[in-house]
Amino acid sequence: GAGVSQSPSNKVTEKGKDVELRCDPISGHTALYWYRQSLGQGLEFLIYFQGNSAPDKSGLPSDRFSAERTGGSVSTLTIQRTQQEDSAVYLCASSFKGDQPQHFGDGTRLSIL
Amino acid sequence: GNSVTQMEGPVTLSEEAFLTINCTYTATGYPSLFWYVQYPGEGLQLLLKATKADDKGSNKGFEATYRKETTSFHLEKGSVQVSDSAVYFCALRSSGAQKLVFGQGTRLTINP
Repeated sequence: GAGVSQSPSNKVTEKGKDVELRCDPISGHTALYWYRQSLGQGLEFLIYFQGNSAPDKSGLPSDRFSAERTGGSVSTLTIQRTQQEDSAVYLCASSFKGDQPQHFGDGTRLSIL
Repeated sequence: GNSVTQMEGPVTLSEEAFLTINCTYTATGYPSLFWYVQYPGEGLQLLLKATKADDKGSNKGFEATYRKETTSFHLEKGSVQVSDSAVYFCALRSSGAQKLVFGQGTRLTINP
């Protein structure tokens, strides 16, 4: 597709379960980013990939959060043992290079019961 | 550390009114500055950007000028429309970094 694609668009799960969120960046974009948008914290950076490497993981809030990127394309954000405070909209963005404007997907709305 | 402060919302205006949404920043070096917009039910879209002091970004009738001396990047539009109703985010990317640092967002409602 033409834009950044994220799936699922909505996810409801029980506290303690693991979840995986997927991001498919714009074709040819080498940089990929994950952000989180929540009522209490606003828009926060989580992690940045250049190719398959993650030179900046400084925003991951705990070791329950991890992400990977394979083939320089699709990325998966995994949250283990989910907690209620993980409820948020998780946004993925991509850019042609690290210093180019970032294009955002529509996000995954995660609700932890 | 780097941070962005936006005027608190919500902001409500009548159609054709003049709009200003204030944004100030704290950053080392020379950051790039951005305004993103989130229309109801949609994702974040880049509205405009400026990469160095005194640059003016513009798009869809919106403008913002990078003011190094006042560390500001205020968003302006001369005549707003109902379709401009959205949440607006000011953001910076510090030099040498890739991540965006966002302000808290300003919800704008335009009444006919």
